[in-house]
Amino acid sequence: KAGVTQTPRYLIKTRGQQVTLSCSPISGHRSVSWYQQTPGQGLQFLFEYFSETQRNKGNFPGRFSGRQFSNSRSEMNVSTLELGDSALYLCASSLRAGFGNEQFFGPGTRLTVL
Amino acid sequence: DQQVKQNSPSLSVQEGRISILNCDYTNSMFDYFLWYKKYPAEGPTFLISISSIKDKNEDGRFTVFLNKSAKHLSLHIVPSQPGDSAVYFCAASAKGGSEKLVFGKGTKLTVNP
Repeated sequence: KAGVTQTPRYLIKTRGQQVTLSCSPISGHRSVSWYQQTPGQGLQFLFEYFSETQRNKGNFPGRFSGRQFSNSRSEMNVSTLELGDSALYLCASSLRAGFGNEQFFGPGTRLTVL
Repeated sequence: DQQVKQNSPSLSVQEGRISILNCDYTNSMFDYFLWYKKYPAEGPTFLISISSIKDKNEDGRFTVFLNKSAKHLSLHIVPSQPGDSAVYFCAASAKGGSEKLVFGKGTKLTVNP
């Protein structure tokens, strides 16, 4: 069974640009969550989608948005990039909504904002 | 305001000995806790979880202990192996795990042969 895949793996952007990251969950998984990992803040929850609906949202500005498609694939968009958005963005999938069941993480997308 | 704290950024132990990783939380609404392990260049891997109705959960070499009155949990790894060297994250959720996960900043464990 293929794991969670994230594309692209690496990305370099400049301030003010926007970026879209993609996540394909494990086949059959309907829940997708996104996280940001930085050296200073550690792992922070961005949002969770289940059946194309956002169930939970972290404390990030509106520049961060996401969506989930009918095939459970998810995208995350960051507009008007700032230097502080440089981070590893991780996606995780699970069978059911919520975090009471095991989440499987992808390898992440490393975003660098110059 | 850090609701989940892992106060030790790093820990070094000898192979075969016990590793104890600690985690403290401040939000009394948290009732579901998880530990993840992360190797460099990989996503985190789920290790073990515990609900607040329990005070201990065991899975092979890994045991998590929860002390609700102290708002403290710990992960014990016995015996420690070099392959356990990784960053360990503690995470917490409310409403039985249906609320968003809040992570600690991680503890880097090094197991020396």
